[in-house]
Amino acid sequence: EVQLVESGGALVQPGGSLRLSCAASGFTFTNYWMHWVRQAPGKGLVWVSRINGDGSSTNYADSVKGRFTISRDNAKNTLYLQMNSLRAEDTAVYYCARAVRYGDYSYWGQGTLVTVSS
Amino acid sequence: DIVMTQSPDSLAVSLGERATINCKSSQSVLYRSNNDNYLAWYQQKPGQPPKLLIYWASTRESGVPDRFSGSGSGTDFALTISSLQAEDVAVYYCQQYYSTPPTFGQGTRLEIK
Repeated sequence: EVQLVESGGALVQPGGSLRLSCAASGFTFTNYWMHWVRQAPGKGLVWVSRINGDGSSTNYADSVKGRFTISRDNAKNTLYLQMNSLRAEDTAVYYCARAVRYGDYSYWGQGTLVTVSS
Repeated sequence: DIVMTQSPDSLAVSLGERATINCKSSQSVLYRSNNDNYLAWYQQKPGQPPKLLIYWASTRESGVPDRFSGSGSGTDFALTISSLQAEDVAVYYCQQYYSTPPTFGQGTRLEIK
């Protein structure tokens, strides 16, 4: 059974940093692109970033480019999102997600809440 | 970026009646070489992650009840629930995965009338 479990969400001050983790199990982790998608409270879904299976290719939403870094540790079956220079508008539930076919997400974690506030 | 626009923003339908949610993309998401529309539909209930319902615009994900169906091509799509059940109350999102960044519609809240 595919499982994705996020952790690392917290309350952080504007300008601060945080690292999110997503522990994956139930599938061959290195075979799949992995994604981060976020959802601000009461708002819609917004794609944040993705990384390919060996970590050599990454993409970011313009809103986080230069501030967030996606990475993975395939030995630990874990996906990461390093978030720096956090802003109030980064407040959201962050989900890790995996596609089965192309870019439609069959698997989602339960999410981890990041709150950026003073 | 491809902009996805859903209509309506909210919808109230009686139990057993049909519900239709529309989604329009700012450019075509039809990949002509394979004739596939790179369009998915999700259902999200409060406190839960989204659940994939439909991919390739009209293919039902495994385990999804057959009252859910997707249609459309190019830039205009629809999600139809043929006979609304109480458990279908949720927010529904369309998403294009034709180009990066993948983008979602703003969501349609479906309620019972």
